[in-house]
Amino acid sequence: GAGVSQSPRYKVAKRGQDVALRCDPISGHVSLFWYQQALGQGPEFLTYFQNEAQLDKSGLPSDRFFAERPEGSVSTLKIQRTQQEDSAVYLCASRLAGTETSSYNSPLHFGNGTRLTVT
Amino acid sequence: AQKITQTQPGMFVQEKEAVTLDCTYDTSDQSYGLFWYKQPSSGEMIFLIYQGSYDEQNATEGRYSLNFQKARKSANLVISASQLGDSAMYFCAIDEDYGQNFVFGPGTRLSVLP
Repeated sequence: GAGVSQSPRYKVAKRGQDVALRCDPISGHVSLFWYQQALGQGPEFLTYFQNEAQLDKSGLPSDRFFAERPEGSVSTLKIQRTQQEDSAVYLCASRLAGTETSSYNSPLHFGNGTRLTVT
Repeated sequence: AQKITQTQPGMFVQEKEAVTLDCTYDTSDQSYGLFWYKQPSSGEMIFLIYQGSYDEQNATEGRYSLNFQKARKSANLVISASQLGDSAMYFCAIDEDYGQNFVFGPGTRLSVLP
């Protein structure tokens, strides 16, 4: 597709349910980032993939959060046993370059996000 | 220490005037990139402008320019001739650690007054 696609656009989950959020990056983009954005705040880093390799998962807030990108394209962020504090917008972003100096010239392209509400 | 600091939670500017949004950063990398993004109420993240740490000239992109002071570790965004459509959240971000670490600041909410 032309841009980064995220689905669903909105998700309402009852506390304790598992959810899966999908990100379809721009075709050929090597790098993929997930962010969590609370209302009125800046995006907070969750995890980074280069192709299928998860190179950094230091931002995942707990072991209930899990991300994968098995074939180096589509990525899924899974949250198990959702809690109210997980309510946020989850943003996915991609860019063509991987971890090389040329990536400093390359902005991230964002999807429209998934708004998760845990009741 | 915060990686990106944006000290202005909210700013107001009169339509057609210029406004400066502040950004300071903290890094030990010699090579890094600085980015500004706009997020309107619709929620999309829109890339505005980029400055590389080795760039000697300040970046410009239409009505946007970046006042880059490397020694002070600041990268302020200047918007000239503000328009009503500029009302949005603005985020400064740094790209370091060989492109693996892309960190955003807390943002500044800009309101353009008619």
